[in-house]
Amino acid sequence: GAGVSQSPSNKVTEKGKDVELRCDPISGHTALYWYRQRLGQGLEFLIYFQGNSAPDKSGLPSDRFSAERTGESVSTLTIQRTQQEDSAVYLCASSVGGALFFGSGTQLSVL
Amino acid sequence: AQTVTQSQPEMSVQEAETVTLSCTYDTSESNYYLFWYKQPPSRQMILVIRQEAYKQQNATENRFSVNFQKAAKSFSLKISDSQLGDTAMYFCAFMKPPIFYSGGGADGLTFGKGTHLIIQP
Repeated sequence: GAGVSQSPSNKVTEKGKDVELRCDPISGHTALYWYRQRLGQGLEFLIYFQGNSAPDKSGLPSDRFSAERTGESVSTLTIQRTQQEDSAVYLCASSVGGALFFGSGTQLSVL
Repeated sequence: AQTVTQSQPEMSVQEAETVTLSCTYDTSESNYYLFWYKQPPSRQMILVIRQEAYKQQNATENRFSVNFQKAAKSFSLKISDSQLGDTAMYFCAFMKPPIFYSGGGADGLTFGKGTHLIIQP
């Protein structure tokens, strides 16, 4: 596709359930970022992938959060045993050179 | 580590006025990229304008222009003839120079906390 694609657009889940969020980056973009954005707040860095290098996981808030990416393709962000404080928009961005493009995000609501 | 500061949490102007959003940053790098992103209620992050630090000329995109002062580490966004559709959160961002096309991870890409711009009819 022409842009960064994220799915699902919205996800409502019950506390304690696991969720998986997907990001399809722009073809050829070697770098991929995940951010969390709580209501009315700025962007909180979660994880960064660059090609086949080890990811930078320094932003993951707890061991309930994990992410994978195979090569320069799709990435999935998994949140296990969701908590109400996980409710937020999860944004994905991909980059190559000095260009950075965002997906439209997944709105996660934990009831 | 880089820091990006947006000192105006919220601004409000009348339609058709000109408004300037401020952004300052701190870095020891000599070459880098600076961005302004717009985030309307739809939550989509839209690239407004991009500046390469090695270019002295200020970037311009239609009604949007920047005042890039490298020595002062300042990167303000000016919106001319503001429109109701300009109402959004605006984020300033700093990106380290790509190394083998890398953005640099957590330290390589830094966002300000945002400015909520409201255009009044």
